[in-house]
Amino acid sequence: GESVGLHLPTLSVQEGDNSIINCAYSNSASDYFIWYKQESGKGPQFIIDIRSNMDKRQGQRVTVLLNKTVKHLSLQIAATQPGDSAVYFCAENFHTGGFKTIFGAGTRLFVKA
Amino acid sequence: KAGVTQTPRYLIKTRGQQVTLSCSPISGHRSVSWYQQTPGQGLQFLFEYFSETQRNKGNFPGRFSGRQFSNSRSEMNVSTLELGDSALYLCASSFFESYEQYFGPGTRLTVT
Repeated sequence: GESVGLHLPTLSVQEGDNSIINCAYSNSASDYFIWYKQESGKGPQFIIDIRSNMDKRQGQRVTVLLNKTVKHLSLQIAATQPGDSAVYFCAENFHTGGFKTIFGAGTRLFVKA
Repeated sequence: KAGVTQTPRYLIKTRGQQVTLSCSPISGHRSVSWYQQTPGQGLQFLFEYFSETQRNKGNFPGRFSGRQFSNSRSEMNVSTLELGDSALYLCASSFFESYEQYFGPGTRLTVT
């Protein structure tokens, strides 16, 4: 597959453990924050989003936490599985006429079986 | 429902040439965004189109341009290619103002 990023921070977890991926954002005017998952050779895939007026949102096996005071976003994956191995990106969306998405650098998650 | 398609998937060009990449969004999606992905710079926003109008543009030189057609299909063009333009170019579509974007597999451009 194609390499997404050669020097990304890497998180290595044991299968079945919980994973926490962190992200710092920069724009206080962002409306939404989104987490994407990118597997080798594929485009990013939407996982979950959170509005800027919320601090927590849960999905299936995933939880996103937003701390606007310190401009920090985290993605928690419960009971991590080998299929969760991928690069995870946080992204901030804001309106400037149309909408604009700014992606973070990404974190590579490696799940050990 | 078919996903976002991008053509071609792979492309090799020489410095100074120009290239046109194509994106077909998911049926019914009216917003199309383009991104450049490189190992060094990550995913960078190029531009967003909605109803044939460019609504937003990232911080890229004027050599990068795009357009959207009435059927929402989009093309992006890079003129006078440079070695640094080698990247994976991703297209994403969304329904109206939705922030949930669906990405295509990308076009891998190599400039030699």
